[in-house]
Amino acid sequence: GAVVSQHPSWVICKSGTSVKIECRSLDFQATTMFWYRQFPKQSLMLMATSNEGSKATYEQGVEKDKFLINHASLTLSTLTVTSAHPEDSSFYICSAGDFPSTDTQYFGPGTRLTVL
Amino acid sequence: LAKTTQPISMDSYEGQEVNITCSHNNIATNDYITWYQQFPSQGPRFIIQGYKTKVTNEVASLFIPADRKSSTLSLPRVSLSDTAVYYCLVGSRNTGGFKTIFGAGTRLFVKA
Repeated sequence: GAVVSQHPSWVICKSGTSVKIECRSLDFQATTMFWYRQFPKQSLMLMATSNEGSKATYEQGVEKDKFLINHASLTLSTLTVTSAHPEDSSFYICSAGDFPSTDTQYFGPGTRLTVL
Repeated sequence: LAKTTQPISMDSYEGQEVNITCSHNNIATNDYITWYQQFPSQGPRFIIQGYKTKVTNEVASLFIPADRKSSTLSLPRVSLSDTAVYYCLVGSRNTGGFKTIFGAGTRLFVKA
């Protein structure tokens, strides 16, 4: 149980294009989903928190117009990186949890984004 | 939001017990402590979660003292495949919902 999937697992795009990453909770309802970014040899950095049906809450320093997050259902959240640039290349990881029923978040496998 | 502090790295040998301690001095009354394991280019994997005293599952034990200002993840008889980064997280409830912040984690290297 508690499986979270991400799609795609990796993507390569040209600078200036937009990329959408999907995060799905497969066997539970996710009232809250989180999006993280991780650079090589570093820890996960929280980008934003999204609650189903509400606008995402972005961490300080994360551009909301660049990283569009939609959490339209209890099993799906999407992160769209708009006008991607090489510095956006990173490992993006989502997590999901059924709060407040649980205090546990379960992570997806991650998406490797490379912007050329 | 409680900040966590862990050793940056640890070395061990196969078959040994490994204990990784995390300090979280500002833990709030309702916060839970959760440990995750992460391999390169993968998402973190849930290991164990606890609130106080001791919790044990099929892969690890979690020891939490009465003041809850620290916690210790115990991995019995580690193998080479346990080489990974281990993160201690403290979940914080606020008016906006649930939130956790990752610390630097502990890089465990298991040698043959």
